[in-house]
Amino acid sequence: QKEVEQNSGPLSVPEGAIASLNCTYSDRVSQSFFWYRQYSGKSPELIMSIYSNGDKEDGRFTAQLNKASQYVSLLIRDSQPSDSATYLCAVNIASGNTGKLIFGQGTTLQVKP
Amino acid sequence: NAGVTQTPKFQVLKTGQSMTLQCAQDMNHNSMYWYRQDPGMGLRLIYYSASEGTTDKGEVPNGYNVSRLNKREFSLRLESAAPSQTSVYFCASSGLGTGNYGYTFGSGTRLTVV
Repeated sequence: QKEVEQNSGPLSVPEGAIASLNCTYSDRVSQSFFWYRQYSGKSPELIMSIYSNGDKEDGRFTAQLNKASQYVSLLIRDSQPSDSATYLCAVNIASGNTGKLIFGQGTTLQVKP
Repeated sequence: NAGVTQTPKFQVLKTGQSMTLQCAQDMNHNSMYWYRQDPGMGLRLIYYSASEGTTDKGEVPNGYNVSRLNKREFSLRLESAAPSQTSVYFCASSGLGTGNYGYTFGSGTRLTVV
């Protein structure tokens, strides 16, 4: 089992719809979770972080975390064509006093005008 | 503010050649990381350095070596390049050693081994 799993997609939604991206992880002690957006040919950029169970909203983005189910999701409201990108889920895996981010394989989102 | 700078941006190597990928950050971050990205595989951690003077293996360390030269610089070396090392390589840095904060990524190095 991979440490962080995502559906690779592509996920296709019409402009204005809600896009829902999902991620599961295997490390029960993980405390930090991140969503990165990556446009084709570019480097990943951080869009959301979440550390506690529940929802965290930032503009059109909402991250949801359920540690009991080992599940984190990202909702994008009012999707725009400019949101078309690959979304990477990342989980911090603690190792002693250090940590490292482990990434899922990414979900490709296509927003159609 | 440059953030994380990687050089070179593109490189073509012949099988068996060696090279060093350079990474430098100007954000006074403690931790630095090297990832590779292959189609459909997401980002896979090669090596990381939680602080100056320490390095640790990640998910896919075979065929690579690293050096944390100082707090700013973290290099990745391929001693004898193989076609399987054709990939996009990203360097990243983070403000705290625990990795509990998001990373800042460099622009990447596209490496082709023929």
